[in-house]
Amino acid sequence: QQQVKQSPQSLIVQKGGISIINCAYENTAFDYFPWYQQFPGKGPALLIAIRPDVSEKKEGRFTISFNKSAKQFSLHIMDSQPGDSATYFCAASLFIRSARQLTFGSGTQLTVLP
Amino acid sequence: KAGVTQTPRYLIKTRGQQVTLSCSPISGHRSVSWYQQTPGQGLQFLFEYFSETQRNKGNFPGRFSGRQFSNSRSEMNVSTLELGDSALYLCASSSIGLAVTDTQYFGPGTRLTVL
Repeated sequence: QQQVKQSPQSLIVQKGGISIINCAYENTAFDYFPWYQQFPGKGPALLIAIRPDVSEKKEGRFTISFNKSAKQFSLHIMDSQPGDSATYFCAASLFIRSARQLTFGSGTQLTVLP
Repeated sequence: KAGVTQTPRYLIKTRGQQVTLSCSPISGHRSVSWYQQTPGQGLQFLFEYFSETQRNKGNFPGRFSGRQFSNSRSEMNVSTLELGDSALYLCASSSIGLAVTDTQYFGPGTRLTVL
């Protein structure tokens, strides 16, 4: 019940295209959904996040779409650039045993071709 | 403000040995979480500390332990190393680790290789 399923595992997009990564969860107690971006040799860095009472959040070229009834959310990267090539993780946050805990998806390796 | 720092960055050990990894959180952050990252299992939560107390623990064997000092710095220890413990160990800090929007900031990780 604590799983977050992420797809696809890898994604190749042409420069200027739209990258879409999908995630699904089961536990309705999750109350915050961040996306992290990780470059090789670095730790994950927060990219954008959304609460479940919001259907969409946009920050620059990055947009989260959230479907509470379907328990699904997705990251859209508009006008994808080679510098966006990284691994992306969706996550879900839960307050459990006196603290917040993040559960991560399995990751999507995005390659943006020049 | 300096980010989360982890030492050492790389470590090679042999089976049966033990290892200690260190994490210094962002100044003012009091919550420290540890994660194991492997290609097969992804990012898995190990444990979380706040004010020198472990508040939360993931599903890892007792060989994995940690502690937090009064200055919020944290260490994790793995005893009797197994080949499967080879992974990137990530430390993340947050303000107090309670608020919904309390962002976790990750360090660069310690790459542990067990031979």
